[in-house]
Amino acid sequence: AQKITQTQPGMFVQEKEAVTLDCTYDTSDQSYGLFWYKQPSSGEMIFLIYQGSYDEQNATEGRYSLNFQKARKSANLVISASQLGDSAMYFCAMREPRDDKIIFGKGTRLHILP
Amino acid sequence: NAGVTQTPKFRILKIGQSMTLQCAQDMNHNYMYWYRQDPGMGLKLIYYSVGAGITDKGEVPNGYNVSRSTTEDFPLRLELAAPSQTSVYFCASTPDTGRSPLHFGNGTRLTVT
Repeated sequence: AQKITQTQPGMFVQEKEAVTLDCTYDTSDQSYGLFWYKQPSSGEMIFLIYQGSYDEQNATEGRYSLNFQKARKSANLVISASQLGDSAMYFCAMREPRDDKIIFGKGTRLHILP
Repeated sequence: NAGVTQTPKFRILKIGQSMTLQCAQDMNHNYMYWYRQDPGMGLKLIYYSVGAGITDKGEVPNGYNVSRSTTEDFPLRLELAAPSQTSVYFCASTPDTGRSPLHFGNGTRLTVT
């Protein structure tokens, strides 16, 4: 069974610093996809970035990048130059095409300090 | 396009009552998912569907039922509500099994007392 682990329940980071949110996953499949979502205090889910298991390069989307280490089964989200608006819950999720389930980790609550 | 629409936004149920949470999407997505999110926690998959007429259990299916008679609609039925089902319920959809992310509804906040 697939599993997502986010080991940092909460983090405090100074504004304008870079921050890394950890995500490790467990799967026996070679083909899978990894997603990161942001959930502000308002509750909506916002898609940030995607990494496919066969992608040759680490994904980037603006200030978001993914440090994908396939052998270690980790897909850490890096936010560069953090902003106050980055304060939110962040979730890592994995999709396995063989059964189409999309499973989420428990999340990391990020607090950006002014 | 409205995207994914969930109704109601809020609901209070008494123990033992039943209700249906509605979810509709107008994007012609084949894949639809129901999650629950307990306070301060991640999303747990309840049920999902890969197309009309096909549903499958997720991580926490007990106490729930679903149906998928059309591509657009994916209602979640709670039978005999229990306090443990107090949660925020999210419905989501995606068009395919590849890079496309989930499109989420705004959630239904359910309290069972």
